[in-house]
Amino acid sequence: GQNIDQPTEMTATEGAIVQINCTYQTSGFNGLFWYQQHAGEAPTFLSYNVLDGLEEKGRFSSFLSRSKGYSYLLLKELQMKDSASYLCAVTDSNYQLIWGAGTKLIIKP
Amino acid sequence: DAGITQSPRYKITETGRQVTLMCHQTWSHSYMFWYRQDLGHGLRLIYYSAAADITDKGEVPDGYVVSRSKTENFPLTLESATRSQTSVYFCASSAAEASYNEQFFGPGTRLTVL
Repeated sequence: GQNIDQPTEMTATEGAIVQINCTYQTSGFNGLFWYQQHAGEAPTFLSYNVLDGLEEKGRFSSFLSRSKGYSYLLLKELQMKDSASYLCAVTDSNYQLIWGAGTKLIIKP
Repeated sequence: DAGITQSPRYKITETGRQVTLMCHQTWSHSYMFWYRQDLGHGLRLIYYSAAADITDKGEVPDGYVVSRSKTENFPLTLESATRSQTSVYFCASSAAEASYNEQFFGPGTRLTVL
């Protein structure tokens, strides 16, 4: 079956760095997305990786290793507004998006 | 306003009733999607559409019906609502196939079936 694993919840301190991991087992791979979802709101796009390596976008970076079926989202200089759920999603061989259950990130002052 | 909108935002209904959730986008995106989101689960695809008059089943289509007569609208109908369909429903759109294009989500409809 297809599976995406993320930690359910993480806690970090304002100003610090946090890494949210995502591992996947899917039938084929055509890219990996990270989305942010604040409580009670819609998901919004953060990043897309299709090749191995690190993609940096301001305070957020996303890494992919296709051989390991692994990705992480790195958030630097954490702000209170970063408190949200972070969703990992993989496009499989049928070009369907398979979503993880999300990681709830709690930022403490 | 431009973007993707859903209506109603909140709906309470009773078991066995028919309910239609509306989705409208102003970008002329080809692809549109319906998801449900439940605690402990990722977003689960109900139906999607690649263009007007083209729809296809997703992971959890049973009990739902969709149509797409116009590019900008993609209504989702629960033919006979059940308690297990209590969920938050998100509509999304993308310019092309989801494989490399981000999806833009509507604000969601919170549906409660009593």
